[in-house]
Amino acid sequence: QSALTQPPSASGSPGQSVAISCTGTSSDVGNYDYVSWYQQHPGKAPKLMIYEVNKRPSGVPDRFSGSKSGNTASLTVSGLQAEDEADYYCSSYVGNSAFVFGTGTRVTVL
Amino acid sequence: EVQLEESGGGLVQPGGSLRLSCAASGFTFSSYWMHWVRQAPGKGLVWVSRIKTDGSFTQYADSVKGRFTISRDNAKNTLYLQMNSLRADDTAVYYCAREGYYAATESWGQGTLVSVSS
Repeated sequence: QSALTQPPSASGSPGQSVAISCTGTSSDVGNYDYVSWYQQHPGKAPKLMIYEVNKRPSGVPDRFSGSKSGNTASLTVSGLQAEDEADYYCSSYVGNSAFVFGTGTRVTVL
Repeated sequence: EVQLEESGGGLVQPGGSLRLSCAASGFTFSSYWMHWVRQAPGKGLVWVSRIKTDGSFTQYADSVKGRFTISRDNAKNTLYLQMNSLRADDTAVYYCAREGYYAATESWGQGTLVSVSS
């Protein structure tokens, strides 16, 4: 159950787009369409932003989108806003009712 | 409104035990799979355990397998995590979370801090 690999940081100016990758293996990301993305502000609980690769829970702005190709999933935040500055984590189902999170990416709005 | 409130954290010596609780309200607790996720200070999220709606199936991360036990009391709307043989690297904020979508947790508590130190 090794953590999924994410870049430590990403940044963009307000209004720009930023994409965060989440690389796993053929046993996790590549094998299941159960990739989720979470946003976490400092000192707060995580918030679900994307589930099942590209679905948004109600209330999540459509500026947030997800995709997957092979063993790599991606979260794209379009039209960056100041409140998007946070840590982002991906998660994947790995079979047998187990899960793994990514290493996390800190997004900075310049 | 969905609410999850963890309790039971604190300071414990290495090798000791602790039981965390997560009180659920605002939804039909018995209808949802539940999870524990932890986060060491300044570190990332780590999945710990998952339990089926009726408690009949559980799964654990390799790092806690054999030491931690997840359980639930649907009559009391409460999720538990029994932690034994605690180690320094178990120090973390422990969150309970509801699996509102398959394989995704859409409601989280605020967490309870467990510190393992002599």
